[in-house]
Amino acid sequence: AQKVTQAQTEISVVEKEDVTLDCVYETRDTTYYLFWYKQPPSGELVFLIRRNSFDEQNEISGRYSWNFQKSTSSFNFTITASQVVDSAVYFCALSSYTGNQFYFGTGTSLTVIP
Amino acid sequence: NAGVTQTPKFRVLKTGQSMTLLCAQDMNHEYMYWYRQDPGMGLRLIHYSVGEGTTAKGEVPDGYNVSRLKKQNFLLGLESAAPSQTSVYFCASSDLASGTDTQYFGPGTRLTVL
Repeated sequence: AQKVTQAQTEISVVEKEDVTLDCVYETRDTTYYLFWYKQPPSGELVFLIRRNSFDEQNEISGRYSWNFQKSTSSFNFTITASQVVDSAVYFCALSSYTGNQFYFGTGTSLTVIP
Repeated sequence: NAGVTQTPKFRVLKTGQSMTLLCAQDMNHEYMYWYRQDPGMGLRLIHYSVGEGTTAKGEVPDGYNVSRLKKQNFLLGLESAAPSQTSVYFCASSDLASGTDTQYFGPGTRLTVL
């Protein structure tokens, strides 16, 4: 079965702090894809990153970085020097190569306090 | 290039009424999806389509019907709305035949059933 768990329901940090959002996934497939999406208060879903199961190299994009570890089935997301504009709900998702569906976690609501 | 658009943005229905939500994409994507988002539950797949003229059930298809008569459009219908269908509905599209490429989302439709 495919499953994505985001155990952190809500996180609050003070501006400029670093914060890590956890994502743990379950799949029996050897080929799969992992995603992070951001949903700001305006409601739209914004694509942040896609990672395939064969690429465990960590990625950094500005203040954002992602740590993919197959050994622990985790795909964690770190925001460095958080800003108020980072306040949003962040979703982790899993897509199986054998199927046509996305499996979303329940999301982590991040509040950055000025 | 508008990406994925949804019509309408908001709607209020009475129990038993019917309505159709329209999703349009201008990216020539083969795959299209309908999700519903409820508090604390992330996004759940209702129906999806792997190409013009084809549809398939997702995780929560009951009470909904879909049609994909044109490649760029994916319609979601509620024949007899129920209060349990109060939700935010998102449409998405993706490109690769495996359906595992990045899904791009529309802005959402907020539906309230009284």
